[in-house]
Amino acid sequence: AQSVTQPDIHITVSEGASLELRCNYSYGATPYLFWYVQSPGQGLQLLLKYFSGDTLVQGIKGFEAEFKRSQSSFNLRKPSVHWSDAAEYFCAVGSPNQAGTALIFGKGTTLSVSS
Amino acid sequence: DVKVTQSSRYLVKRTGEKVFLECVQDMDHENMFWYRQDPGLGLRLIYFSYDVKMKEKGDIPEGYSVSREKKERFSLILESASTNQTSMYLCASRAYTGELFFGEGSRLTVL
Repeated sequence: AQSVTQPDIHITVSEGASLELRCNYSYGATPYLFWYVQSPGQGLQLLLKYFSGDTLVQGIKGFEAEFKRSQSSFNLRKPSVHWSDAAEYFCAVGSPNQAGTALIFGKGTTLSVSS
Repeated sequence: DVKVTQSSRYLVKRTGEKVFLECVQDMDHENMFWYRQDPGLGLRLIYFSYDVKMKEKGDIPEGYSVSREKKERFSLILESASTNQTSMYLCASRAYTGELFFGEGSRLTVL
């Protein structure tokens, strides 16, 4: 079955420290991979996406993610976290054959930033 | 800029009422989606539509229906609202490049 697992429900990081949010997926073929961020009371905003090619992708707000096929992982990283990064983060997978298909989302990781 | 607009940010309804949640996108996307978001459960797909008048059930369609009369508009309908439908509802449309664009969400409370 297709699924996305975000093992960490809640993470607290000190401001200025590095961040890594984990994402593992189960999918029949190499999927499209996405990370979204959601601030309280808001919709989801796309941080970055991977379709093919270079396995290290850069996104907005200084985030990057690395696709590792052998580990079925797509972890999100940021070298130095800012207080404004506190939010909920969702990993998602989708079919390259996109017609009539939806993205599958993980349950999310809540990031808190301490000063 | 890409825009997905949900008509109501906050709604309070009574049990048994009929509820309409409207969503409009201005990007000429063919695929549109309704998700429900609850704490600890992430986003769960209710229905999606891949063309005008076409719809497919998602993972949790019970108690919901949808309407897509025009390409830009996708409505979610709760025929008889129940308290267990209190939730955040998110509409999205899918770009030809694969990613979803989301609206701001509609927080529904059913009393």
